[in-house]
Amino acid sequence: AQKITQTQPGMFVQEKEAVTLDCTYDTSDPSYGLFWYKQPSSGEMIFLIYQGSYDQQNATEGRYSLNFQKARKSANLVISASQLGDSAMYFCAMRAPGGFKTIFGAGTRLFVKA
Amino acid sequence: DVKVTQSSRYLVKRTGEKVFLECVQDMDHENMFWYRQDPGLGLRLIYFSYDVKMKEKGDIPEGYSVSREKKERFSLILESTSTNQTSMYLCASRMGQQTGELFFGEGSRLTVL
Repeated sequence: AQKITQTQPGMFVQEKEAVTLDCTYDTSDPSYGLFWYKQPSSGEMIFLIYQGSYDQQNATEGRYSLNFQKARKSANLVISASQLGDSAMYFCAMRAPGGFKTIFGAGTRLFVKA
Repeated sequence: DVKVTQSSRYLVKRTGEKVFLECVQDMDHENMFWYRQDPGLGLRLIYFSYDVKMKEKGDIPEGYSVSREKKERFSLILESTSTNQTSMYLCASRMGQQTGELFFGEGSRLTVL
């Protein structure tokens, strides 16, 4: 069965510093996709970044990058130059291509300090 | 701008009452989903629909049903609410099976007393 694990319930980071949010996954499928979503206090989930299991390079989107280590089954999110607006819940998620379900981790709440 | 709209942001109901949560998307997406979000558990899939009038159970369908009579609309029904259904309910849509990310509504926070 597929599973996503986020072991950090909460994280603090100083404004302008980088922060890494951990995500490990478990699947027996050779082909899958990994996602990160952000959920501000307003409640709406926002897609941040995607990594396919066969992608050769780590995905990047602006200040977000995904540190993909396939052998270790980890897909950590790196946020560079943190901003106060980055304070939110962050969810790691996975879907097998050809499948309908996207499964989510428990989430990490990030607090950015001024 | 793409949009997923949920009918109610906040609801308070008494045990045994019926609840109808509606979700509408304006992106012509094939797939639609209902998740519930609880602290420490993340998002768990209740039901999904891959096409009009088609529905499939997710991981926690007990106590819920769904309806998708039109492509843009996916409704979640709680026939007789219980206190353990107090939660945040999130609707999402996706273009199709092979394509990427989910687009979410703002959520409906249900409290059952």
